[in-house]
Amino acid sequence: GAVVSQHPSRVICKSGTSVKIECRSLDFQATTMFWYRQFPKQSLMLMATSNEGSKATYEQGVEKDKFLINHASLTLSTLTVTSAHPEDSSFYICSAFRQGVRNTIYFGEGSWLTVV
Amino acid sequence: SQKIEQNSEALNIQEGKTATLTCNYTNYSPAYLQWYRQDPGRGPVFLLLIRENEKEKRKERLKVTFDTTLKQSLFHITASQPADSATYLCALEVVGSTLGRLYFGRGTQLTVWP
Repeated sequence: GAVVSQHPSRVICKSGTSVKIECRSLDFQATTMFWYRQFPKQSLMLMATSNEGSKATYEQGVEKDKFLINHASLTLSTLTVTSAHPEDSSFYICSAFRQGVRNTIYFGEGSWLTVV
Repeated sequence: SQKIEQNSEALNIQEGKTATLTCNYTNYSPAYLQWYRQDPGRGPVFLLLIRENEKEKRKERLKVTFDTTLKQSLFHITASQPADSATYLCALEVVGSTLGRLYFGRGTQLTVWP
C-alpha cells in the first residue's frame, strides 16, 4: 500500500483563489519532503524542499509567496497555491525521504490542479 | 549546463522482445542513479537504484547498467509485456545535494504491443 498519501488527487479552483495540497508520510517520519511540478510530457521539476520545523528551500524561479509550503510535523507537508492562475494548472507531486539503514524516497500519487 | 537526456520520447516494441532505454547525463556527479515507472496521471514508482561504483543491477525482468565514464545508464526490460507500457524516468541523486533530492529526465514512453 501507499506509504505517502497526497490529497486531493484532483482539484479545480477558480482563478484568484487559493488551494492547499497535503502530503503525508503514513508509517514513517520524514524530516525532508520535496514538491515537484510536472507539465504534460515534461520531466518532474523540483519546486522546493520542505524541512520539518524550518522554512522551505525554493528552487530558482519559484515564487515562495505564491507557493507556500508548511512542514509542521514529521508526517505532513502542505503546498498552498495562492491566487491561482490558469498557468498554475499542472500535476503536483510530493516525495518523502525516509532515512535509515536503507535511505528510500517515496512518491505520492500526485495532485492534478486545474485553475479555471 | 546540466542535462539528463533520455534517448527517445517514445519506444514501441513487440511483446516478448527486450526494451532498452537510455539515460545520458552531463555535468552531474551522481551518487546514485534511479529508474522509475510512471503511469498516466500517477506518481512515479521506484524500480531500481544503482550506485556510482556499481556496474549492473538486476531485479526480475529488469536490468540496469551504469557507466560513469560514458555518463550513461541503460535500462532493460526483458520478455516485455503489454503491462510494461508506461513512461520510464531516469533520476539522479547527486553528490553533495540534499539527501532525497532527485534530478529527473523527461522520460521515455514505452509501448509494448501484442
